[in-house]
Amino acid sequence: AQSVTQLDSQVPVFEEAPVELRCNYSSSVSVYLFWYVQYPNQGLQLLLKYLSGSTLVESINGFEAEFNKSQTSFHLRKPSVHISDTAEYFCAVSEAAGNKLTFGGGTRVLVKP
Amino acid sequence: DAGITQSPRYKITETGRQVTLMCHQTWSHSYMFWYRQDLGHGLRLIYYSAAADITDKGEVSDGYVVSRSKTENFPLTLESATRSQTSVYFCASSPSGARTDTQYFGPGTRLTVL
Repeated sequence: AQSVTQLDSQVPVFEEAPVELRCNYSSSVSVYLFWYVQYPNQGLQLLLKYLSGSTLVESINGFEAEFNKSQTSFHLRKPSVHISDTAEYFCAVSEAAGNKLTFGGGTRVLVKP
Repeated sequence: DAGITQSPRYKITETGRQVTLMCHQTWSHSYMFWYRQDLGHGLRLIYYSAAADITDKGEVSDGYVVSRSKTENFPLTLESATRSQTSVYFCASSPSGARTDTQYFGPGTRLTVL
């Protein structure tokens, strides 16, 4: 069975500083990888996803994530965060042969001025 | 364009009562999902549905019942609520399944069982 581990439950960071959120997964088959973001008091929304091709994927608001198959990781980075990036971020995995998403425990990012 | 809506947004109930959480989507997406969100556990799948009248269990389905008589609606019922079912519940939909599709989430229902 697949599982997803987000190593940091909370990440405080100053505005304009870089941030990295770590995500590792375990699966014996091919996977698709997702990052979702949940702003306060809202539902989740897709930030970016890796399906195939280039291992580096980017979002429209400056986040990027790199798929590393050998390390079974899909870490999320942003070189310079804004106050508006304060949110909880969830890594998720779906197996190529399945039709369900498995979510990590989430990482809460608090951007300080 | 309403998208996906959930009602009620907040609910307080007592142990042993039956509670139904509603989910409605306007996109005619085939797949719909129910998750619960608990601190430290992320989101865990309760039930999902591939189409009207087709439902299947997720990893935490005990104590929950779903139905899907119409494509756009996917209600979740707690037959006899327990305190351990206090949680935030999210409904989601996707066009054709979770493998590569984006899931679109509702705003959530915060349920408290006293």
